[in-house]
Amino acid sequence: EADIYQTPRYLVIGTGKKITLECSQTMGHDKMYWYQQDPGMELHLIHYSYGVNSTEKGDLSSESTVSRIRTEHFPLTLESARPSHTSQYLCASSDPTGLYTQYFGPGTRLTVL
Amino acid sequence: GQNIDQPTEMTATEGAIVQINCTYQTSGFNGLFWYQQHAGEAPTFLSYNVLDGLEEKGRFSSFLSRSKGYSYLLLKELQMKDSASYLCAVTGFQKLVFGTGTRLLVSP
Repeated sequence: EADIYQTPRYLVIGTGKKITLECSQTMGHDKMYWYQQDPGMELHLIHYSYGVNSTEKGDLSSESTVSRIRTEHFPLTLESARPSHTSQYLCASSDPTGLYTQYFGPGTRLTVL
Repeated sequence: GQNIDQPTEMTATEGAIVQINCTYQTSGFNGLFWYQQHAGEAPTFLSYNVLDGLEEKGRFSSFLSRSKGYSYLLLKELQMKDSASYLCAVTGFQKLVFGTGTRLLVSP
């Protein structure tokens, strides 16, 4: 199982601010993912990475961007936050030895006022 | 593309057995996963099936029929803490696609 961390756990900010949500894993997994989930709704894949310098957009269009400079680190950035970005953001990494089972971090609950 | 169907909500009594069904249509199928998600928390991995048949893990079992595009999660000896959403997800081309989840309410 992956040890995967996300910070901050909760963030309340004003409109127009630039924010970065951090995600790190210590298992050396190549594949990492970002999901967005509104309360009581389904998970939507917004970004994924298959390794260093690899990033792809997911199934749900998002104004956020990601980078993957190091294997263990996959941060997500919003250049100018808006109230429509209010949601929970979940990071995951996948284990190549177990059919790429995805393990999730605790999530960041973002509120944009 | 991929399409996954699960019931929206189910209710059951503590100590009972409940079966949560999942049907799917997908291309490039590699496996089917079940996750548990408590309200406000991240999903936690429960099980996966690659081949047809039943996989048992303690109180939880998962079944897969690839020819029918069908899976179920069986929960035995239900406990109050099992009240959560149960997400069915299929993987193809190394990406997971999640269903909308089944909210299970366990009552005393």
